[in-house]
Amino acid sequence: KAGVTQTPRYLIKTRGQQVTLSCSPISGHRSVSWYQQTPGQGLQFLFEYFSETQRNKGNFPGRFSGRQFSNSRSEMNVSTLELGDSALYLCASSLGNSPLHFGNGTRLTVT
Amino acid sequence: GEDVEQSLFLSVREGDSSVINCTYTDSSSTYLYWYKQEPGAGLQLLTYIFSNMDMKQDQRLTVLLNKKDKHLSLRIADTQTGDSAIYFCAEREGRDDKIIFGKGTRLHILP
Repeated sequence: KAGVTQTPRYLIKTRGQQVTLSCSPISGHRSVSWYQQTPGQGLQFLFEYFSETQRNKGNFPGRFSGRQFSNSRSEMNVSTLELGDSALYLCASSLGNSPLHFGNGTRLTVT
Repeated sequence: GEDVEQSLFLSVREGDSSVINCTYTDSSSTYLYWYKQEPGAGLQLLTYIFSNMDMKQDQRLTVLLNKKDKHLSLRIADTQTGDSAIYFCAEREGRDDKIIFGKGTRLHILP
């Protein structure tokens, strides 16, 4: 069974631009969660989607948004990028209340 | 909000046991998890424990849960160089099912 796939692996953007990151969950998993990982803050919860609906949201500004498609694939979007948005963005999928299974992340660098 | 705390660094000699500790604040947590992260990779699930258990053993790994003190530990027996990584403790909150992570403990193996 293929694991969680995140694309792209690396991204370099300029301040003020917007970016879209993609996540394909493990087949059969309907829940997708997104986390931001930085050296200073660790893993911060962004949001969780289940059956195309946002089920939970963390404490991030409205510039961070996401969505989930009918095939459970998910995207997250960050608009008006700031230098502080540079981070590893991790996507994880799960089946019901089972543990999260993570992808390898997208490394975003904002210059 | 709810919080998960763990020490940032641990150094252990090869062959010794490593014990990584974690405390959490949500008394209604349902599951507690341990993840491992190696450089350039996402988080790999190591083991997890349901909140009504107090111990779980899986090969070299032993998880102890003290629910009264909200304290979780991970013991790695016969620590090897391949165990060098960052270890994350996480809890699934009872109220809204969010999974919250600690900042991670970097395990360094001494020869």
